Amino acid sequence: KQEVTQIPAALSVPEGENLVLNCSFTDSAIYNLQWFRQDPGKGLTSLLLIQSSQREQTSGRLNASLDKSSGRSTLYIAASQPGDSATYLCAVPNAGGTSYGKLTFGQGTILTVHP
Amino acid sequence: DAGVIQSPRHEVTEMGQEVTLRCKPISGHDYLFWYRQTMMRGLELLIYFNNNVPIDDSGMPEDRFSAKMPNASFSTLKIQPSEPRDSAVYFCASSFTASNEKLFFGSGTQLSVL
Repeated sequence: KQEVTQIPAALSVPEGENLVLNCSFTDSAIYNLQWFRQDPGKGLTSLLLIQSSQREQTSGRLNASLDKSSGRSTLYIAASQPGDSATYLCAVPNAGGTSYGKLTFGQGTILTVHP
Repeated sequence: DAGVIQSPRHEVTEMGQEVTLRCKPISGHDYLFWYRQTMMRGLELLIYFNNNVPIDDSGMPEDRFSAKMPNASFSTLKIQPSEPRDSAVYFCASSFTASNEKLFFGSGTQLSVL
């Protein structure tokens, strides 16, 4: 059974800092990994999707890397802003699943960026 | 496109009552998913559909839960009878047919069963 762990559980940083969120998964036989953002009282927004053949994906100030062999992914946020405050979740397809939609989510990292 | 639309946003009901949650996926998306989110268990997949057909309902917790997708633009998740432990946020999500595509989530329904 796939298990996803995110570290740290919470992070508080001053505006402008670069930061790294970590995600690890137990079964490396995945074909993609997604990073999501969730604002309080809202649904999830997919930020980045990395295919298993890729090592990283970039979108603006966000950069996500994937190391399948070690079962790890990181989300790098450059020059953090108060608007980045949210919960960030990573998700991978269930081990043995035939559809990417059967995702296992981590518990998330609650990020607070203070002015 | 307006995105995935869920209703109601909030639902408060008494134990034993029937609850129906509704979802309209993004037009053109062939996959629809129902998730449940709680503090204790995080996000859990309940059931998903492909082209209106239920593919995997192994995450549905009990027979009290049922889901339907009568057409490509509408799905319901029903709980009958509801219990306090069903209190959670229920999300609907959709995506295109092809694999390795991003999932799009609705804003969720906050369900409170008293």
